[in-house]
Amino acid sequence: QVQLQESGPGLVKPSLTLSLTCTVSGGSISNGGYYWSWVRHHPEKGLEWIGNIYHDATTFYNPSLRGRLFILIDTSKNQFSLQLLSVTAADTAFYYCARGKRLSGMDVWGQGTAVIVSS
Amino acid sequence: SYELTQPPSVSVSPGQTASITCSGDKLGDKYASWYQKKAGQSPGLIIYEDNKRPSGVPERFSGSNSGNTATLTISGTQAMDEADYYCQAWDISSSSMIFGGGTKLTV
Repeated sequence: QVQLQESGPGLVKPSLTLSLTCTVSGGSISNGGYYWSWVRHHPEKGLEWIGNIYHDATTFYNPSLRGRLFILIDTSKNQFSLQLLSVTAADTAFYYCARGKRLSGMDVWGQGTAVIVSS
Repeated sequence: SYELTQPPSVSVSPGQTASITCSGDKLGDKYASWYQKKAGQSPGLIIYEDNKRPSGVPERFSGSNSGNTATLTISGTQAMDEADYYCQAWDISSSSMIFGGGTKLTV
């Protein structure tokens, strides 16, 4: 069965770039039937969609993050990644990667990783 | 921008039926999904395409979507169902995935 695992630094200084990687196991990220997502959870604000990427590198981003967000896919490593530029304390959250099917929601989630933005 | 509105909290007695609503403009024209989020755990998909249950999700969870409102119904609510519940839909106009603000279910 497909499993996802997030990795990356848990602490990022303000104004720098947050980089996270999601490694997919048990299935191919090149499967065209799925999209690959990043979602974050703010305990006080709930779930927030960050963006999606498809196997052909087509991306869809949350408009509120567009301009400082990049989601990339590396099919050779079966990974996709998130880069969020110029982070602030508002980007402190628990970050999840997930797999979804068009119109059908996200059915497989990583365990998540905590990211704190602080100097 | 498109928004989905949920009640912040819903309370239900064990064994009773809980209903959690999610409102958005013409939401019935979109597919709604629902996620369960417990503290310290990843979100889990419990309803997709308005009323379908992934394998492994108990039959007491059901969904509907019509007009401007999607509803998650939990029949015979159990203590283990206490969690935060989020609705989600895709907004074609902005090519964005939208989450509702979440509802805390207390059993």
